[in-house]
Amino acid sequence: AQSVTQLDSQVPVFEEAPVELRCNYSSSVSVYLFWYVQYPNQGLQLLLKYLSGSTLVKGINGFEAEFNKSQTSFHLRKPSVHISDTAEYFCAVTIYGGATNKLIFGTGTLLAVQP
Amino acid sequence: DVKVTQSSRYLVKRTGEKVFLECVQDMDHENMFWYRQDPGLGLRLIYFSYDVKMKEKGDIPEGYSVSREKKERFSLILESASTNQTSMYLCASSTPGTGSGEQYFGPGTRLTVT
Repeated sequence: AQSVTQLDSQVPVFEEAPVELRCNYSSSVSVYLFWYVQYPNQGLQLLLKYLSGSTLVKGINGFEAEFNKSQTSFHLRKPSVHISDTAEYFCAVTIYGGATNKLIFGTGTLLAVQP
Repeated sequence: DVKVTQSSRYLVKRTGEKVFLECVQDMDHENMFWYRQDPGLGLRLIYFSYDVKMKEKGDIPEGYSVSREKKERFSLILESASTNQTSMYLCASSTPGTGSGEQYFGPGTRLTVT
C-alpha cells in the first residue's frame, strides 16, 4: 500500500536561512508526487509536482524539490526563506485503483519563519 | 484558472442540526472530493465522486453523506452534526482516469459545532 511520511511536524527557521522539508513515500509502482502549501485559513495550493523527467523540480515562490527513487524521497527546499513562507506544507502521492486516481497526503509540516 | 468555490468560509451550527456544505468547480472535472483537516492528522478523505450520481466512501465516511446531482456541484451533508465534526472541510476536484491525480482545492469551510 502506498503511504507518505513527513518526518517533521514543525520546522522553525530564521528569515533568509535555507530550509528543507522532508517527505518519504512508499509505493510499489511508478509515482507522481506533489507538494502543496496552505496559508492560514486558506485551501491548498499546488507548489510543485513531479510527473516524469528531470528529478529536480522547480515550483512557485523559489521552492524546489528533488525526486530520489532509491531513497523514496521527495524533499522540498528553499535556499532563503521569507516571513511570507510561513505556512503548512503537505506532500502527496497519487494512488490508483477503484474508480479513479486519488491522492494520499502526509500529515503536514508547519514552516515557521522567524525574523 | 481552475476555480473551486465553497459556499461558506465559516459556519457555526448546533449539535443535532443537519448541515450542508456546498462545493462548485468550473473546470468540468469528473472527480470531486471532500476532506476534513484536523491538526496533526493531515487531510483525511471523507467521500469522493467520479461522475454525476456516482460516489464512493473514503477513509472516514461515518456521520457524513454526499450528493452529486450536477457535474459541477458536490455537496457534503452532516445528517446530525456532532461536536466531533468540528473541523476544517476542504473540497477538491481533478481530471479522471489514469492522469497525474493533481487536485485543485477550494478555500475551505471552518465548521464549528456547539
